[in-house]
Amino acid sequence: QSVLTQPPSVSGAPGQRVTISCTGNSSNIGAGSDVNWYRQLPGAAPKVLIYATNNRPSGVPDRFSGSKSGTSASLAITGLQAEDEADYFCQFYDISLSGYVFGTGTKLTVL
Amino acid sequence: QITLEESGPTFVKATQTLTLTCTFSGFSFSHSGMGVGWIRQPPGKALEWLAVTYWDEEKLYSPSLRTRLTIAKDTSKNQVVLTLTNMDPLDTATYFCAHRLGDGFDNWGQGLLVTVSS
Repeated sequence: QSVLTQPPSVSGAPGQRVTISCTGNSSNIGAGSDVNWYRQLPGAAPKVLIYATNNRPSGVPDRFSGSKSGTSASLAITGLQAEDEADYFCQFYDISLSGYVFGTGTKLTVL
Repeated sequence: QITLEESGPTFVKATQTLTLTCTFSGFSFSHSGMGVGWIRQPPGKALEWLAVTYWDEEKLYSPSLRTRLTIAKDTSKNQVVLTLTNMDPLDTATYFCAHRLGDGFDNWGQGLLVTVSS
């Protein structure tokens, strides 16, 4: 089981704002580890949405934003669109394990 | 433009060894900082990081699978090979290779579904 916990599902209506949480602990996110966020459309490979907690790669709309507080990180999506319906994963690099860790994943449903 | 593509068998039997190849373009291990990782995803489940190899010969493995995994790079061929021994039906998953950037992965292959039969 991952050390990064995400809600199994979230939902929102088109145009609304939703947030997806990624809960870690004082040894990872709480200790300052950066978090990356990925979106995975059905049947496709993951695509990075946010890197280093709050940075967007070129081409990712500013509807997507990342933040961190305490032992949790969050992905916010504003102006929800039908094409945002996908699975979302958080991820960080665990220095103590010398490895990459993915969150449990969240399925976003656009109502 | 960075591209990666996974290749290998799509069906293996339990106890066999799986060998997957990631062929990439758009970057080279000759350049400092480069890395390629393998990640897998069982059907309907979360992503699981497996291994990564870097330009400087460093290799990292998932602690839970370390004894079964080997990752190797061929700089001249722009390839990274992953082997997973003693396959089990629980290893049925889509296996992705990805280009490492910072503490994450920015470009991914399309993935290869590997099914393990008992």
